[in-house]
Amino acid sequence: QTVVTQESSFSVSPGGTVTLTCGLSSDSVSTNFHPSWYQLTPGQAPRTLVYSTNIRSSGVPDRFSGSILGNKAALTITGAQADDESDYYCVLFLGSGIWVFGGGTKLTVL
Amino acid sequence: QVQLVQSGAEVKKPGASVKVSCKASGYTFTSYDINWVRQATGQGLEWMAWMTPNSGNTGYAQKFQGRVTMTRNTSISTAYMELSSLRSEDTAVYYCARYYGSGGIRWFDSWGQGTLVTVSS
Repeated sequence: QTVVTQESSFSVSPGGTVTLTCGLSSDSVSTNFHPSWYQLTPGQAPRTLVYSTNIRSSGVPDRFSGSILGNKAALTITGAQADDESDYYCVLFLGSGIWVFGGGTKLTVL
Repeated sequence: QVQLVQSGAEVKKPGASVKVSCKASGYTFTSYDINWVRQATGQGLEWMAWMTPNSGNTGYAQKFQGRVTMTRNTSISTAYMELSSLRSEDTAVYYCARYYGSGGIRWFDSWGQGTLVTVSS
C-alpha cells in the first residue's frame, strides 16, 4: 500500500521560513504525481494553496510556494505569519484516478 | 461561478448506510469528474472515490472497496456517495470535489461545503 509521508509537526518563528515536505514510501515524488497542498481550518473546506507542484491557487499569497526538493514535494512558507498556524496536507496523484493524502503537518508559528 | 452544494448533516446507527449528495452548478456537470474526500474526527484528509459523470465510470480507494458506491443523476447535475456498513470510525465530514485534469495540470479546483455524518448508537 502506498503511503504518503509528511512531518507530523513543525515550528517556525514569525517572519521565518519553513519548508514542509511530502514523500512517498515506495518511490520518489516527481511532477508526474501532481502534488497539491491544502490548508485546513476547522469548519471550512480545504483551502488549496498550490497544485500541480508549483501553481499557486488564486488569492494565495506569494509567500507560499511549491517545488520538488530532492525526492519529495515541498511547500515553503517565506515570512510566516501568525495566521499561517494551521494543518497542512499534501496529496499525490497515483494514476488511474487514484489520489493519496499525506497524514498532515501541524504548523505552529511562535 | 462553479458551485458544489452538498446535502445536510446525517446521524446514522452502526451498520446503516448513508447517501450524501453533491449538486453542481455553474458548469457542465458531465464535463468534469467528481471525487469524494473525507476527514474523520481528529484525523487527516482521506481520498475515497472518483466518478466520471458522463460515463458513470468509478474508482474507489482500496480501503473503501465494497462499502462505497458513487452514482449520479445527470438530469439534475448531482453526484451521490453512498457508504454502507457504517461504523463509528466513519464519523467524518465528507467533501465532494471537482477534478480538473487538462494540459498537464491535475487538481481539485472546487469543493463542496462538507457534510457531517455521525455514526452513533
